Amino acid sequence: SQQGEEDPQALSIQEGENATMNCSYKTSINNLQWYRQNSGRGLVHLILIRSNEREKHSGRLRVTLDTSKKSSSLLITASRAADTASYFCATDRGSTLGRLYFGRGTQLTVWP
Amino acid sequence: DADVTQTPRNRITKTGKRIMLECSQTKGHDRMYWYRQDPGLGLQLIYYSFDVKDINKGEISDGYSVSRQAQAKFSLSLESAIPNQTALYFCATSDHQGRATEAFFGQGTRLTVV
Repeated sequence: SQQGEEDPQALSIQEGENATMNCSYKTSINNLQWYRQNSGRGLVHLILIRSNEREKHSGRLRVTLDTSKKSSSLLITASRAADTASYFCATDRGSTLGRLYFGRGTQLTVWP
Repeated sequence: DADVTQTPRNRITKTGKRIMLECSQTKGHDRMYWYRQDPGLGLQLIYYSFDVKDINKGEISDGYSVSRQAQAKFSLSLESAIPNQTALYFCATSDHQGRATEAFFGQGTRLTVV
């Protein structure tokens, strides 16, 4: 069963706007990771946030983690058409470090 | 050259046939994984291996088997392929040594069982 659930399932915005995707999960975690997948291609790691961290930045990406609510959000600022992809959150649980549980993903479309 | 290489990239096979998907990596990672992705769904873990002598079942291992021939090679077999095994298959690697790190994915194998 999937551990993470992303919301929304699909998001459509204009270039220059910000995109926010959310992820909820059910059990305690070691860390939470966000991945990007271009259509039919392999997943690419974007950012990892540990359970004792609340916010992390990488370029135009900002990730927050609220362990009390078991949720995370990924913010992409100043979106570009090239950001069009599916975005997945993956949780790394306490029992087996490294085994990831993926959500169903958010399909982001950025229009020029 | 890709760090995680999957072969073949595409394969069409008939129901009942045995098929093997191969994965090799040049990252020197100890951990390797096989995932399956169905349209509109996330990735589901089939098998994983934390070193050459370690094989573990994932969420959906029925109908699949794996072999870790070397640290760099991890193959997935479908002993008798069935149509509902039609999916996109990904191999991934990660390196831990006591800390959490990202996973690196291959480009995927698109398998169609007819």
